[in-house]
Amino acid sequence: DAGVIQSPRHEVTEMGQEVTLRCKPISGHNSLFWYRQTMMRGLELLIYFNNNVPIDDSGMPEDRFSAKMPNASFSTLKIQPSEPRDSAVYFCASSPRGYYGYTFGSGTRLTVV
Amino acid sequence: GQQVMQIPQYQHVQEGEDFTTYCNSSTTLSNIQWYKQRPGGHPVFLIQLVKSGEVKKQKRLTFQFGEAKKNSSLHITATQTTDVGTYFCAADQAGTALIFGKGTTLSVSS
Repeated sequence: DAGVIQSPRHEVTEMGQEVTLRCKPISGHNSLFWYRQTMMRGLELLIYFNNNVPIDDSGMPEDRFSAKMPNASFSTLKIQPSEPRDSAVYFCASSPRGYYGYTFGSGTRLTVV
Repeated sequence: GQQVMQIPQYQHVQEGEDFTTYCNSSTTLSNIQWYKQRPGGHPVFLIQLVKSGEVKKQKRLTFQFGEAKKNSSLHITATQTTDVGTYFCAADQAGTALIFGKGTTLSVSS
């Protein structure tokens, strides 16, 4: 099992550009989560999906952020337009349904200059 | 919304000393999970506690869930340099997604 796969590992972009982060969850996991980690705010839940359906997006900072899960094996998090304050490490995680631990991907370190 | 508070924020110990981090909630938790994140790495699931008063051990790590299910602790006996990292507790609210505490960052000097 390759685990949760995120791409790219690092992204440097200029303010105003569109950024797309990608995630492939573990096969068979029903739930997928996007988190953002910064020194100031820690690990923040942005959005999560159950069976490809978005359940709670209340953590999405603003309309510049959007997430999709078109099928069970792929999800994207898009920021358009990006701003310097979006700089953070973005983690995707997946888990089976129910009370199980999450498996995190290696993260995407985003820097917006 | 659900919040879990962790203390201390940072802890430095000499190798061989013990270490404890605490996690507290103002509301009753259905379960609590613990994760470890190495510097530059990603959070890795350690354990889940579900029952009131539950105690689980993993080698030198001991995890406890309070009787009222509002607090939890992680204790490491005789720390080693491999224990360095940030330890997070996390809890969900009525079966929704996990909310993570701010973590306790452990440093160990040999």
